[in-house]
Amino acid sequence: EDQVTQSPEALRLQEGESSSLNCSYTVSGLRGLFWYRQDPGKGPEFLFTLYSAGEEKEKERLKATLTKKESFLHITAPKPEDSATYLCAVALTGGYNKLIFGAGTRLAVHP
Amino acid sequence: DAMVIQNPRYQVTQFGKPVTLSCSQTLNHNVMYWYQQKSSQAPKLLFHYYDKDFNNEADTPDNFQSRRPNTSFCFLDIRSPGLGDAAMYLCATSSWAGAYEQYFGPGTRLTVT
Repeated sequence: EDQVTQSPEALRLQEGESSSLNCSYTVSGLRGLFWYRQDPGKGPEFLFTLYSAGEEKEKERLKATLTKKESFLHITAPKPEDSATYLCAVALTGGYNKLIFGAGTRLAVHP
Repeated sequence: DAMVIQNPRYQVTQFGKPVTLSCSQTLNHNVMYWYQQKSSQAPKLLFHYYDKDFNNEADTPDNFQSRRPNTSFCFLDIRSPGLGDAAMYLCATSSWAGAYEQYFGPGTRLTVT
């Protein structure tokens, strides 16, 4: 069964304390892996797409990496405005662009 | 700015009273999706349209229906809402032209009383 697991479920950081969020996946065939940010009461906001192992993408304090089994979202020197839920999703080869989402990591960054 | 718009943002309905949620997009994307998201859970795909072709997920209850009258608009109809249908409903779009990321609207929070 195709599955996406994110860890930890929740993470509390002090402002400036770097850390990483994990997304592990077990899928029949990976077309792409996506990271989204979701603020409370809002829809997910697209951050990155990764297509192949070894690929990296960066945006401000965020850096996403991909291996054959997992992806990491590294947050460098986070600020309170980075507090949100970060969702990972995979698209499978074959068929249409169905995304399988993980349950997310709730990040809280405190001043 | 090109975007995905959902109306209303908050909807309260009574148990068993039909409700319709709407989504519009200015991205001119071929594909539109409806997701259900309950608190602290992953978004769950209900169905999607590739142009006018409707695709239902196997585990989507019959109580949920959808209409896409044109490229820009898509509707979610819940025929007889139950208490378990209270959730955030998210509309998303994607282009079929090789880029697979989906763009989401702000969501409609449905409360069933």
